[in-house]
Amino acid sequence: ETGVTQSPTHLIKTRGQQVTLRCSSQSGHNTVSWYQQALGQGPQFIFQYYREEENGRGNFPPRFSGLQFPNYSSELNVNALELDDSALYLCASSHGTATSGNTIYFGEGSWLTVV
Amino acid sequence: AQKVTQAQTEISVVEKEDVTLDCVYETRDTTYYLFWYKQPPSGELVFLIRRNSFDEQNEISGRYSWNFQKSTSSFNFTITASQVVDSAVYFCALSEDSNYQLIWGAGTKLIIKP
Repeated sequence: ETGVTQSPTHLIKTRGQQVTLRCSSQSGHNTVSWYQQALGQGPQFIFQYYREEENGRGNFPPRFSGLQFPNYSSELNVNALELDDSALYLCASSHGTATSGNTIYFGEGSWLTVV
Repeated sequence: AQKVTQAQTEISVVEKEDVTLDCVYETRDTTYYLFWYKQPPSGELVFLIRRNSFDEQNEISGRYSWNFQKSTSSFNFTITASQVVDSAVYFCALSEDSNYQLIWGAGTKLIIKP
């Protein structure tokens, strides 16, 4: 039990639709990052939020966007869904960023299927 | 460029055997951190260990042990007396002082047969 909770756990969307995934970080953690994990692959970094500001982004297009709220919970929004967006989306929280070597704790993920 | 290589795609052993998962990394930073995570079929990534680049001491936690060797840029993970519950995908990851993200290996799927 990491204290990081994500919702929904599973969802199916149609190509072209929009989706919002939610994450509640571990108590006391001010940094949230999101990762996409395709089947059989390692996670790929999408972006990171530190104290409500995006402070790092991976190689993902602008239709992937996010928010972090004052209570440090977070949302990942994906617009104009494509079939390749089908993946497990993992939220991770930490106290401080990965650059400081802080341990990052993950939620159970949201399984997104785009049809 | 930073990179993490887990050359073993899948390992299958019989319960009670010892098994070692390999991890080789590349980085230009002198300060960096290495991690191992376990991912069972449920999907959650479970943190196992963090090691910083200045601490080459090997670590043992129950049946788990880690061998960090800067000379070979390796951070290998050994499970002693494996159990069926150890079956999962194991990921090695790297973070650097100059980077804000974790760099992941492709993972090693470990199958422990009863």
